[in-house]
Amino acid sequence: GAVVSQHPSWVICKSGTSVKIECRSLDFQATTMFWYRQFPKQSLMLMATSNEGSKATYEQGVEKDKFLINHASLTLSTLTVTSAHPEDSSFYICSADLPQSGDTQYFGPGTRLTVL
Amino acid sequence: QKEVEQNSGPLSVPEGAIASLNCTYSDRGSQSFFWYRQYSGKSPELIMFIYSNGDKEDGRFTAQLNKASQYVSLLIRDSQPSDSATYLCAVKTSYDKVIFGPGTSLSVIP
Repeated sequence: GAVVSQHPSWVICKSGTSVKIECRSLDFQATTMFWYRQFPKQSLMLMATSNEGSKATYEQGVEKDKFLINHASLTLSTLTVTSAHPEDSSFYICSADLPQSGDTQYFGPGTRLTVL
Repeated sequence: QKEVEQNSGPLSVPEGAIASLNCTYSDRGSQSFFWYRQYSGKSPELIMFIYSNGDKEDGRFTAQLNKASQYVSLLIRDSQPSDSATYLCAVKTSYDKVIFGPGTSLSVIP
């Protein structure tokens, strides 16, 4: 199956700082990647769809100036949480779309963000 | 009506039994259907996908699709305690968006 990595796997930061999370497709090229957030015991929430070479598409209610997404290459998308606050503490998961598998999404291992 | 619905559970089955997980969707034009498993604190992992009406088997897992009833299910035979997890149903809609259901929590009791 397709492999997607994320870095870092966990991060603790102070309130007001920015955090960058990387998502990489290791053995395939992904023109489309997705960023999700998941709070404890809740379902996945799609934040945005990241398209290589173009601006990300954000879901309703997600602040694009706070959650900056860059998809600079076919194997890398980054999510930057700017001016993080404790309420941004969550599990952030990326996935990459494998078109030749019927648009199956393969998930990265996730990044647990804790904002103090 | 939510686009993809699942019973939240928890669903409890004894070890060795068949676990049956159900999912309904609202977009009649949906074409692709996926089942993911998510262990607590981990990200989802793909179990299988199905496109055509009928059954698709992979080891102990069988996905069943009925497009007329807008219903997709996952059967887990010979359930093991290691199958205890949340199972997510995902549907690719006719407008090219994959929508995830809220998940069903499964507990397999030894």
